[in-house]
Amino acid sequence: NAGVTQTPKFQVLKTGQSMTLQCAQDMNHNSMYWYRQDPGMGLRLIYYSASEGTTDKGEVPNGYNVSRLNKREFSLRLESAAPSQTSVYFCATLLLSSDEQFFGPGTRLTVL
Amino acid sequence: QKEVEQNSGPLSVPEGAIASLNCTYSDRGSQSFFWYRQYSGKSPELIMSIYSNGDKEDGRFTAQLNKASQYVSLLIRDSQPSDSATYLCAALRPGATNKLIFGTGTLLAVQP
Repeated sequence: NAGVTQTPKFQVLKTGQSMTLQCAQDMNHNSMYWYRQDPGMGLRLIYYSASEGTTDKGEVPNGYNVSRLNKREFSLRLESAAPSQTSVYFCATLLLSSDEQFFGPGTRLTVL
Repeated sequence: QKEVEQNSGPLSVPEGAIASLNCTYSDRGSQSFFWYRQYSGKSPELIMSIYSNGDKEDGRFTAQLNKASQYVSLLIRDSQPSDSATYLCAALRPGATNKLIFGTGTLLAVQP
């Protein structure tokens, strides 16, 4: 997970609570991604950002918002958590020109 | 239907055999393709990328791409028990957004 950090590593929320998952990278990669991983579902794209200041919806954006305020950081916000959002969340970066891609260590979120 | 499809497996092969993992994609705008390995409880790690039709070899791994058939595969020669993991295929639509979509992954079990 060199160069990509995620906080927190674990979190338990109650239904309706809000929280922000943080992701930061120090590799100067332009593209950043948020995925969720559930058993048997692979990685599903929530939101992504091709560059600083731009964001796009992925496959499963409902219930989430993102913010890419600078090149290093890409945060994911759950405004009103639901049990269906219980999952492992991964942040990833990509520099296509040099085939570099890295994932963060993941955040394991449980919503009760 | 997911944009990237994989057989979930498990695919079981004996040690020393060739493991063949397959992936199809539906978006003809996808230009770049990636294979990842994910051990249980860990983050995915990039194994190989392929952009052009044909084969690309890296050590024991060979990626194959056929854009006309919208088909990508990964061959692992001389499979080892340490290769036992989930293998994820991903397709990238490059350009302004760099949207990167994953399949559900194939679980590979290499039997000693």
